[in-house]
Amino acid sequence: AQKVTQAQTEISVVEKEDVTLDCVYETRDTTYYLFWYKQPPSGELVFLIRRNSFDEQNEISGRYSWNFQKSTSSFNFTITASQVVDSAVYFCALSEGPNDYKLSFGAGTTVTVRA
Amino acid sequence: DGGITQSPKYLFRKEGQNVTLSCEQNLNHDAMYWYRQDPGQGLRLIYYSQIVNDFQKGDIAEGYSVSREKKESFPLTVTSAQKNPTAFYLCASMGQGTYNEQFFGPGTRLTVL
Repeated sequence: AQKVTQAQTEISVVEKEDVTLDCVYETRDTTYYLFWYKQPPSGELVFLIRRNSFDEQNEISGRYSWNFQKSTSSFNFTITASQVVDSAVYFCALSEGPNDYKLSFGAGTTVTVRA
Repeated sequence: DGGITQSPKYLFRKEGQNVTLSCEQNLNHDAMYWYRQDPGQGLRLIYYSQIVNDFQKGDIAEGYSVSREKKESFPLTVTSAQKNPTAFYLCASMGQGTYNEQFFGPGTRLTVL
């Protein structure tokens, strides 16, 4: 069964619009970590944010913010005032348990920001 | 600078040949991982190693082999048994106290002709 689902395949916006990426996860563990990674055209994955299962506080970091809701198993990610450089594939990932070091990735959402 | 290097960036091989992809890290991380990415898909785990001289199969290990003789190196061999080896391969590492965050290399794009 898919542990991480990113229902949005592609999103296209005009520069300065906000972009929200959806992520739904599935786990039976009480301790887990959730991540968002960015993959620009160069291919390398860049870490963006991490949230552990015990901390549902939503935060803002620069133009990035996230909404973690355990009740709905969702970990959504928002880019505010998007820029062309934000064009990339964004992956949501799950690491289950305190000693399970594997990551399960969603299929990714391709974001295109047009000037 | 600390990081993960993968070489080469692009690799071409003839069908039926084994090929080894290099992954080196100088982050002093204990754990290392190999992922495969196909167009329009997420990353799938091939093999991982949490300590030297030990490694485990991931979700799609068939047709691949690895070794972990040194902490900083985790080469991946794509064997002729792998039916569809053309893909983008990413190596990652993770250290103690990083809350399961993995650091990724630049990737190797393998094309089998």
